[in-house]
Amino acid sequence: NAGVTQTPKFRILKIGQSMTLQCTQDMNHNYMYWYRQDPGMGLKLIYYSVGAGITDKGEVPNGYNVSRSTTEDFPLRLELAAPSQTSVYFCASSLGLAGVQETQYFGPGTRLLVL
Amino acid sequence: QQQVKQSPQSLIVQKGGIPIINCAYENTAFDYFPWYQQFPGKGPALLIAIRPDVSEKKEGRFTISFNKSAKQFSLHIMDSQPGDSATYFCAASSMGAQKLVFGQGTRLTINP
Repeated sequence: NAGVTQTPKFRILKIGQSMTLQCTQDMNHNYMYWYRQDPGMGLKLIYYSVGAGITDKGEVPNGYNVSRSTTEDFPLRLELAAPSQTSVYFCASSLGLAGVQETQYFGPGTRLLVL
Repeated sequence: QQQVKQSPQSLIVQKGGIPIINCAYENTAFDYFPWYQQFPGKGPALLIAIRPDVSEKKEGRFTISFNKSAKQFSLHIMDSQPGDSATYFCAASSMGAQKLVFGQGTRLTINP
């Protein structure tokens, strides 16, 4: 199993550009998550999905969009990149609910720089 | 009330020392407390987790201590090694919750 894979590993965007961060998991997990990690700020949840076709907002959804058409894929879309979106983005997946002690498996991250 | 407060933000310890990272929470509905370990350039990975029906859990050199009345829990690393240098996140969730709430992270450096 590859686990959770993310592409690209690193990207530089100009202000106002758009891009999609890709995330794929091969563990047949129902739950998928997108986090951003800023220095000294921990992990902030952007969006999550409880299954194909179902998504919901996390703590910091503004400026992002997601879709979940398959169990495996959970892309994150930035429509109009802003410098405040410079961060490291992590995708994660879990078999079940966080509240029933299901481990979240993280991808290696995408480092995004918006200039 | 959904926050988990983690301290210190950074910690430097000599090899063989016992670093201690602390977390505090307000939401009494939290009943699952995992710790995640993140090496530079990698995603976080589950290290150890505890439920509030026990006060301590050990896995190898890693121990979680839990104080339900104080709403605090901590991670201790015995006989710390340079290879333990990483960022550590505490987290919490409650029964039925769909999300984990993460602390701010602690950057731990173990000097040789």
